[in-house]
Amino acid sequence: NAGVMQNPRHLVRRRGQEARLRCSPMKGHSHVYWYRQLPEEGLKFMVYLQKENIIDESGMPKERFSAEFPKEGPSILRIQQVVRGDSAAYFCASSATGSGNQPQHFGDGTRLSIL
Amino acid sequence: DQQVKQNSPSLSVQEGRISILNCDYTNSMFDYFLWYKKYPAEGPTFLISISSIKDKNEDGRFTVFLNKSAKHLSLHIVPSQPGDSAVYFCAAFMDSNYQLIWGAGTKLIIKP
Repeated sequence: NAGVMQNPRHLVRRRGQEARLRCSPMKGHSHVYWYRQLPEEGLKFMVYLQKENIIDESGMPKERFSAEFPKEGPSILRIQQVVRGDSAAYFCASSATGSGNQPQHFGDGTRLSIL
Repeated sequence: DQQVKQNSPSLSVQEGRISILNCDYTNSMFDYFLWYKKYPAEGPTFLISISSIKDKNEDGRFTVFLNKSAKHLSLHIVPSQPGDSAVYFCAAFMDSNYQLIWGAGTKLIIKP
């Protein structure tokens, strides 16, 4: 399967714990995006990364959230000290370029539940 | 401020007929518009896109029309098939800020 791979598919955390979401982009893609979807809503942009660089994190909360895309390995979205409001589906997408003429391709998401 | 709006939460269409999904936007600076289809518990799947300099793009059963003066686009599916039942999202993209801006989605139900 050469698609975008996200794991885990489901993640349950207690309030105050840390959540780590992983994303491996499609083969040949070096542009990674993270989105969050709340129930009955569209996806909301969080962060855009290229290898080892954060290009745009304007959609990401300033506190508790961080993202990285290291030279080797998957992109990681990290949420520290989770709260109930962090419960959502988190989707990762990748593209070959950062331009709109190359569509973003999505993984199946990680559903984060906070107890 | 919702820049991309899909005003119909759901749409029901008879199998074999045309499905028309609508989307309005407010920002004239968008460079591309994209349609994605989403099944429950899966990620969005790219369907078709259109550049802001075009007014129509066709791919098989799917055609997207763009009316820039009205800031409106639509997705036509002909003929509609049972497998088309899903949530359809309209999204807009500006090359200058990399983000896909999403509508809230329209749930399409194809009746047999």
